Amino acid sequence: ETGVTQSPTHLIKTRGQQVTLRCSSQSGHNTVSWYQQALGQGPQFIFQYYREEENGRGNFPPRFSGLQFPNYSSELNVNALELDDSALYLCASTTADTSQETQYFGPGTRLLVL
Amino acid sequence: EDQVTQSPEALRLQEGESSSLNCSYTVSGLRGLFWYRQDPGKGPEFLFTLYSAGEEKEKERLKATLTKKESFLHITAPKPEDSATYLCAVRSGGSNYKLTFGKGTLLTVNP
Repeated sequence: ETGVTQSPTHLIKTRGQQVTLRCSSQSGHNTVSWYQQALGQGPQFIFQYYREEENGRGNFPPRFSGLQFPNYSSELNVNALELDDSALYLCASTTADTSQETQYFGPGTRLLVL
Repeated sequence: EDQVTQSPEALRLQEGESSSLNCSYTVSGLRGLFWYRQDPGKGPEFLFTLYSAGEEKEKERLKATLTKKESFLHITAPKPEDSATYLCAVRSGGSNYKLTFGKGTLLTVNP
């Protein structure tokens, strides 16, 4: 049990729509990262938030955006959905208070774009 | 750009048959090499973090080792419940905690 929860577990959208995915981190974990995992691939880094500000971004277009809140929850928003956005979306949290940090992952949200 | 290559892509073992998974990496300033286990449709489950060449860590039937260019995950006398995808990831120098993952090794252990 990692203490990281995500909602919803599954979601079906159509091309062009917008989606919001949610993550709740462990108390004290002030860094949250979001990853996209396509079928048969490893997770790919989307972006990271530290103390409510974006702190690093992978090779994803601006239609992928995020928010982090003071209560250790965060959101991933994707606009203008494309078929290739179908994937498992994972959030991971860590504390920045130790030099031996570990990222703990949630169960993921499976997004299907039709 | 950080790169991680895992081999083999898939491995099928008989129960009790020991083997090793490989993770080769190129990174500018390794800040940590991570092993995760992932069951189908679930999030990755943390196994180990290694920080410097020569370091080893063990947990039950699993042992992870690290050199300057690769890491091995040794599985001793595996059981069917060890069947999963094993992911390797690296974190390089920088202010954020971005992990670069390999594609994983799908391990199947037959009874």
